[in-house]
Amino acid sequence: DAGVIQSPRHEVTEMGQEVTLRCKPISGHDYLFWYRQTMMRGLELLIYFNNNVPIDDSGMPEDRFSAKMPNASFSTLKIQPSEPRDSAVYFCASRSLGELFFGEGSRLTVL
Amino acid sequence: GQSLEQPSEVTAVEGAIVQINCTYQTSGFYGLSWYQQHDGGAPTFLSYNALDGLEETGRFSSFLSRSDSYGYLLLQELQMKDSASYFCAVKRRDDKIIFGKGTRLHILP
Repeated sequence: DAGVIQSPRHEVTEMGQEVTLRCKPISGHDYLFWYRQTMMRGLELLIYFNNNVPIDDSGMPEDRFSAKMPNASFSTLKIQPSEPRDSAVYFCASRSLGELFFGEGSRLTVL
Repeated sequence: GQSLEQPSEVTAVEGAIVQINCTYQTSGFYGLSWYQQHDGGAPTFLSYNALDGLEETGRFSSFLSRSDSYGYLLLQELQMKDSASYFCAVKRRDDKIIFGKGTRLHILP
């Protein structure tokens, strides 16, 4: 298995632009998590899905953030409009039993 | 609310043993996990404890005391490649997984 696949690996954009991050979980994993990592705040849980259904989005910082999982093999995290404080590494992870498998992350820089 | 506390940094010598503690406060606690993250990399799973006691996986061991809301990660025979950040993470009954802020482990030769 190729593991959790995220794209893009790096994104540099200007304030106000829309950003879409993508994730392909490991086949057969029924949970998918989106985290954001910064030096100040650590690894923050944004939202998680079970069988493609959003279970808890209380970690999504603002209405500018939205996430979807249209099928078992694809999820997106969208930021519109983006702001400099959104700069971070965004990780997607899928879960098997007690273990999370992380993608390599998408490093977002908003200028 | 919920919180996880772990030291921000720990320093140890190559070949030695180091223990990284984690205390947590959360409703619906189900289990405690540990993850390792090297600079620029993604977190990778090390261990998971759902029951009290010690779990051993090679040079790494993890301990949980549910009554004390406390756990630790024990790393033995430290190697330079163990220099990384280590995160404890709580799994709740609602399947939410919350991470601590991480402990940066520095290893001296």
